[in-house]
Order: sequence, then structure tokens, then C-alpha cells
Amino acid sequence: DAGVIQSPRHEVTEMGQEVTLRCKPISGHDYLFWYRQTMMRGLELLIYFNNNVPIDDSGMPEDRFSAKMPNASFSTLKIQPSEPRDSAVYFCASSRGTGDYSPLHFGNGTRLTVT
Amino acid sequence: GNSVTQMEGPVTLSEEAFLTINCTYTATGYPSLFWYVQYPGEGLQLLLKATKADDKGSNKGFEATYRKETTSFHLEKGSVQVSDSAVYFCAALSGGYQKVTFGIGTKLQVIP
Repeated sequence: DAGVIQSPRHEVTEMGQEVTLRCKPISGHDYLFWYRQTMMRGLELLIYFNNNVPIDDSGMPEDRFSAKMPNASFSTLKIQPSEPRDSAVYFCASSRGTGDYSPLHFGNGTRLTVT
Repeated sequence: GNSVTQMEGPVTLSEEAFLTINCTYTATGYPSLFWYVQYPGEGLQLLLKATKADDKGSNKGFEATYRKETTSFHLEKGSVQVSDSAVYFCAALSGGYQKVTFGIGTKLQVIP
């Protein structure tokens, strides 16, 4: 079990540039979540997918943010154009949907800095 | 929706001290409750959970009891170690689709 894999670990970009964050969930997990973590707001759920279908994107802050899951083993979170206030750590997490709760498995995150 | 409130940190303790991190929740129905831990540079990982009233979750010497009457799920450990230094998140889940609500997180620093 390789765990949830995110790339890149660190991203530094200039305001106005497009940023794409990538995530490979654990094989067999049918839920995928994107979270954002900041000191001020803590951990915020941006969007989550079930079987590659977006279920709830109410946490996506603006139209500048978009997420896709083209297949069960890959998801992207895109910010276009990026702004300094988007600077945060972005986490991807996956879980296996069962009758009982299946814990979230988090990746190590992508630290995004927008200058 | 659910909301989770935890005590503000940071919490600084000496090694072998007793730890309590308070957590209260508001939710419709009876949520499942969790504590997650985040070590520096890593993602969160599940520490323990409780799924119904009066359940006690435990792991690695940490414990938390689901108190319906006080809507609380306080985290405790009898003797902390330096290796317990991390950020601890209380969380709640109710309804379907595994949408978990996290608290703000409490940073714990244990000094030798």
C-alpha cells in the first residue's frame, strides 16, 4: 500500500499563473477529497468525489478553482489564475466507502506559495 | 451542518505530564466522532474513533469517550512523550457520503 500520493510537494508560482496539483488515491478507494489547510481557517473541504463523480463542490472558493477525476487513480485540482491568498497546504485524501466509516487516508500535501 | 470546536493551542507540556484536549460538537442526529493527528510535514492520520454514545476510543495510550449529554469528545493521555508532539484534530461525521467536519486543530508540544 503506497498510500495517497500527491505532487508536487512544493509549488511556488507568481500571481496570475495557472497551478495544477495532482493526486493518486489508494487503489480500491472510491472516495476522494481535496482539502485546504491554512493557519487562519484550519482544514477546509473543497470538493469530494465518489466513483470519479463530483458529489459536493460547495467548498470550492471561487470559479478560479476546478477539480477533475478522469479515472479512479488520478485527480487534479487546478487554480487559474492563482492569487497570493491561495497560498496554503492542499491535501488530497481517499477512503473506501462501506457501511461503517472508513477512515480518511491523507497524502503529505502540496505546499503552494503564490507571490 | 456539523461543527466542531476545540481548545486553542498551542499546548506545551513536560514529558510524562497528563494531557487533555477539549472538543465539543454540534450535529444533527448522533455523529461518529474522531481524533486525527498530524505530524510535521505529513498529512492527517486517524488516531481513534467512537461511533455511539458512551463508546471509548483508544490507541497508543490516547483515549476519548463519546459523551452525548455534554456533546463532547475530549482527548486524554496519562503520560505524554516527546514523540507525541503534533497537531490534533477533532472531527465529526453524520449523514451519508463520509463528509467529515474537522476542528481547527490543537498543536501539542512536549518538552523533555
